[in-house]
Amino acid sequence: EVQLVESGGGLVQPGGSLRLSCAASGFTVSSDYMSWVRQAPGKGLEWVSLIYSGGSTYYADSVKGRFTISRDNSKNTLYLQMNNLRPEDTALYYCAREYGSSCDSRTSPLCHFDSWGQGTLVTVSS
Amino acid sequence: DIQMTQSPSSLSASVGGVVTITCRASESMRNYLNWYQQKPGKAPKLLIYAASTLQSGVPSRFSGSGSGTDFTLTISSLQPEDFATYYCQQSYRTPLTFGGGTKVEIK
Repeated sequence: EVQLVESGGGLVQPGGSLRLSCAASGFTVSSDYMSWVRQAPGKGLEWVSLIYSGGSTYYADSVKGRFTISRDNSKNTLYLQMNNLRPEDTALYYCAREYGSSCDSRTSPLCHFDSWGQGTLVTVSS
Repeated sequence: DIQMTQSPSSLSASVGGVVTITCRASESMRNYLNWYQQKPGKAPKLLIYAASTLQSGVPSRFSGSGSGTDFTLTISSLQPEDFATYYCQQSYRTPLTFGGGTKVEIK
């Protein structure tokens, strides 16, 4: 059974840093396509970042240069390092697996987020 | 970036009724469109991928259609457990983007 468990959220002051973790089981993080998606309180879903099996990474413009996605293959864990945090980064952060074929080349319509964690809450406030 | 516009943003419907939610993309993206359901306090759940393919385990009263820029999610006979917020998402190009959501409430 595929399972994703996020951790590392909390209260941080503007300009501070946090590292989120997403421990995976039932599949291999390094062989799949993994994303972080966030949801501000009472708002919709916003894709944040992804890492492909080959290691390529992509970011939303709103976090580019501040956030870094990575993974530890030995721990089967995905990370999101968040620096220079802003109040508008306050959200519930989900990790999600993108399932399908050729998702890295975006040549198949079959790619979709089939598994999600329960989320970890990040609050940026003074 | 591909902008995804959902309509309506909310609707009220009765149990047993038919619900139609529309998602429009800012550019043509063939059938690279997914639909998710989210209930309060829960993570999103995949309903439909590739515009019209029902995810395993999802009831057949959910269906999706469309291609290019215009897509539709239909719930044919609304059940009490279907009251939730629904999101479309494009997988055609990064940045991946979601629609703003449609909240389905009880009439």
